[in-house]
Amino acid sequence: GAVVSQHPSWVICKSGTSVKIECRSLDFQATTMFWYRQFPKQSLMLMATSNEGSKATYEQGVEKDKFLINHASLTLSTLTVTSAHPEDSSFYICSAFDRGNTEAFFGQGTRLTVV
Amino acid sequence: GENVEQHPSTLSVQEGDSAVIKCTYSDSASNYFPWYKQELGKRPQLIIDIRSNVGEKKDQRIAVTLNKTAKHFSLHITETQPEDSAVYFCAATGANNLFFGTGTRLTVIP
Repeated sequence: GAVVSQHPSWVICKSGTSVKIECRSLDFQATTMFWYRQFPKQSLMLMATSNEGSKATYEQGVEKDKFLINHASLTLSTLTVTSAHPEDSSFYICSAFDRGNTEAFFGQGTRLTVV
Repeated sequence: GENVEQHPSTLSVQEGDSAVIKCTYSDSASNYFPWYKQELGKRPQLIIDIRSNVGEKKDQRIAVTLNKTAKHFSLHITETQPEDSAVYFCAATGANNLFFGTGTRLTVIP
């Protein structure tokens, strides 16, 4: 199946700094990518939908200025957590649609710890 | 947006028994319903999916049913095995979104 690569798999950063997470579709073009946040033992919460060449669509309650999403190409979307705080610590995971099958493939996820 | 509800949140079954997980959705425009299995610390993996033009799909021990009128769909696992233990998520998608249910932690007791 299609492959989505997410980097880094884990990151520890100091409070107040920014962290960038990359999501790449390796063998297909992803016009749409999704960013999710997952708290321990909970479901995946959709944060935003990233569309290539246009602004991301954010879900209600998600701060646009804090979670910056850029989808500059058909194979790359980035999520930047700006001015991170301990409450931003979580598991972030991206997925991309393979339009040929309408199947979503997931990245490996990024465990962010803000200290 | 879409609202996907999933039940039960936890499910324990004896090895060899069947497990059923149910989901409902709110957006009648949703037309694709995948199910994912997530093992601890790993990414969700697609195990089966169903599109709105069919009512049932089966793949070995796993089957999914869809009732578009009632807006609910279910996952059925037969002859459960310990390796089926994981968290299962249903999802519903329409034109440009993918929303997940709250998850079901399935434990298969040997």
